[in-house]
Amino acid sequence: DAGITQSPRHKVTETGTPVTLRCHQTENHRYMYWYRQDPGHGLRLIHYSYGVKDTDKGEVSDGYSVSRSKTEDFLLTLESATSSQTSVYFCAISDPLGADRVAYEQYFGPGTRLTVT
Amino acid sequence: AQKVTQAQTEISVVEKEDVTLDCVYETRDTTYYLFWYKQPPSGELVFLIRRNSFDEQNEISGRYSWNFQKSTSSFNFTITASQVVDSAVYFCALSEGGSEKLVFGKGTKLTVNP
Repeated sequence: DAGITQSPRHKVTETGTPVTLRCHQTENHRYMYWYRQDPGHGLRLIHYSYGVKDTDKGEVSDGYSVSRSKTEDFLLTLESATSSQTSVYFCAISDPLGADRVAYEQYFGPGTRLTVT
Repeated sequence: AQKVTQAQTEISVVEKEDVTLDCVYETRDTTYYLFWYKQPPSGELVFLIRRNSFDEQNEISGRYSWNFQKSTSSFNFTITASQVVDSAVYFCALSEGGSEKLVFGKGTKLTVNP
């Protein structure tokens, strides 16, 4: 258990509504990630963070923004939700591993199921 | 660019059969890491194994084994004597050395029937 929680776990919202998903970790992990999972696509990286206030884009970042003002919290915001953003969203954490410190094994939160109607 | 291909979308077996899940990867780096994750019907993602590009030894953990072959850019996962509890979607993933990002395959859904 990597001490990761996501809130809310389920959400239904309307098109055009802003939505914020929260990822919270309790073990001071350096890296945090947001993924979306869709049938036929596996997991795709939206944004990630490598420290407080340090974030970068992933593969599918359009329409999403993130913020990390504290080590333990990583927020994902959909400024104006669209039906194409209906998905399951996973948060993950990692730290550099091993003697070479270049491997980043990720552990995942329980996921948030978001439906945009 | 890095890429992971899991060509088997779905596999169905009968309990106690052995089953191999294929994973083929592409990368230009000589240092990289390969991972397998399991996603049972409950939805959580469970880390199974990490392997680095310099270690081609096969690994066995109980009924699970992994075969890493650099010559064919493959990192296949075998479940011996499958059980119903092995039913899940399995993901293979790759990270290049020094990168904090993982690239995932699209997953293989394994159904083990009693």
